[in-house]
Amino acid sequence: TQLLEQSPQFLSIQEGENLTVYCNSSSVFSSLQWYRQEPGEGPVLLVTVVTGGEVKKLKRLTFQFGDARKDSSLHITAAQPGDTGLYLCAAREVGSNTGKLIFGQGTTLQVKP
Amino acid sequence: DTAVSQTPKYLVTQMGNDKSIKCEQNLGHDTMYWYKQDSKKFLKIMFSYNNKELIINETVPNRFSPKSPDKAHLNLHINSLELGDSAVYFCASSQDAAGGVEQYFGPGTRLTVT
Repeated sequence: TQLLEQSPQFLSIQEGENLTVYCNSSSVFSSLQWYRQEPGEGPVLLVTVVTGGEVKKLKRLTFQFGDARKDSSLHITAAQPGDTGLYLCAAREVGSNTGKLIFGQGTTLQVKP
Repeated sequence: DTAVSQTPKYLVTQMGNDKSIKCEQNLGHDTMYWYKQDSKKFLKIMFSYNNKELIINETVPNRFSPKSPDKAHLNLHINSLELGDSAVYFCASSQDAAGGVEQYFGPGTRLTVT
């Protein structure tokens, strides 16, 4: 079973600070997604990265897919309380045609005002 | 309108009972999924249907039986509920089962078995 290791698992920071969340595996993936989940709700897609070395930006969030397509990072600049939530990385196995996503354990982020 | 809806939102029941969770999507998607999220927030795929055909069936006890009456609905029936079945169950859908497509999740059903 392929595993996605997310780190850190918990992060509590002050408003305005920067942070990076990591998603690592020993396996190669065809694509990787980042989702955010708020309490009592389902995960919502933030971004999909497909190409090794790809960088995507979504306002203050920067996502990067590793060159070898085994890892990814999410960087948040000047975090705000509205960024609080559970961040999940999810990857698709190479050659998969079933839509199956493998999820990381998640990173719980708390941004204090 | 809610894209992916689930009922009920909360379900509290006793061990040994049988219960069902219903899911509907109004996005016109071909593929639907059931996930289980445990107390540590780990999200794991259970089943997936594409055009009413079962395409993912992970190692799940056979007490769990999915059923897709049509492309817009995917229900989950659980027999002889056990304490370990307590979790949040999420339904999701996607345009198809191709790589990189977005999955849209429902709000979840929190199941508590006492």
